Amino acid sequence: QKEVEQDPGPLSVPEGAIVSLNCTYSNSAFQYFMWYRQYSRKGPELLMYTYSSGNKEDGRFTAQVDKSSKYISLFIRDSQPSDSATYLCAMSAQVTGGFKTIFGAGTRLFVKA
Amino acid sequence: DAGVIQSPRHEVTEMGQEVTLRCKPISGHNSLFWYRQTMMRGLELLIYFNNNVPIDDSGMPEDRFSAKMPNASFSTLKIQPSEPRDSAVYFCASRLTKAKGVIGELFFGEGSRLTVL
Repeated sequence: QKEVEQDPGPLSVPEGAIVSLNCTYSNSAFQYFMWYRQYSRKGPELLMYTYSSGNKEDGRFTAQVDKSSKYISLFIRDSQPSDSATYLCAMSAQVTGGFKTIFGAGTRLFVKA
Repeated sequence: DAGVIQSPRHEVTEMGQEVTLRCKPISGHNSLFWYRQTMMRGLELLIYFNNNVPIDDSGMPEDRFSAKMPNASFSTLKIQPSEPRDSAVYFCASRLTKAKGVIGELFFGEGSRLTVL
């Protein structure tokens, strides 16, 4: 079993739809939870960063973390064609000497105009 | 500010050849990561350095892979000998890990796209 599970999609939605992306994880040592966005032929870029359970909102994006269920979500409101990208969840756990960061497989999102 | 710089951006080589990928992290960052991305397996962590010291190399697929970080501003990932199944995009990323378990944002380079024929 992978430490982080994420449905690769693809997910296709019409412009203006609400998008829900999810990840589950197995390692309770994860403390930091992130969402990255990756456009084609580019490196991933940080979108959202949370430390504890609960919700965090930034514009059209909301990140949710439920540590008891080992489940995290990213919601995109009023989705736009420019949101079309691959979305990767990421989690960090403390190890001897530092923190390691593991990524989900990424979900490919297409927003149709 | 310059971001994470990787070279080469593209590499096409033949099976059995040695491949060396290079990374210059963001100045001041003390943690460096090498990841490999494929359609089948997504973004896999290969190795992680903290203050130039390898912390976790459990993701390195086999002895053909090696990574070094001789100083805070340079790291290499070497594959010798290369095989077709090593074809992937290799990303380097860096961040500032602060005291008391506070970690900053992970910044990625543009990646090195490797094709082994």
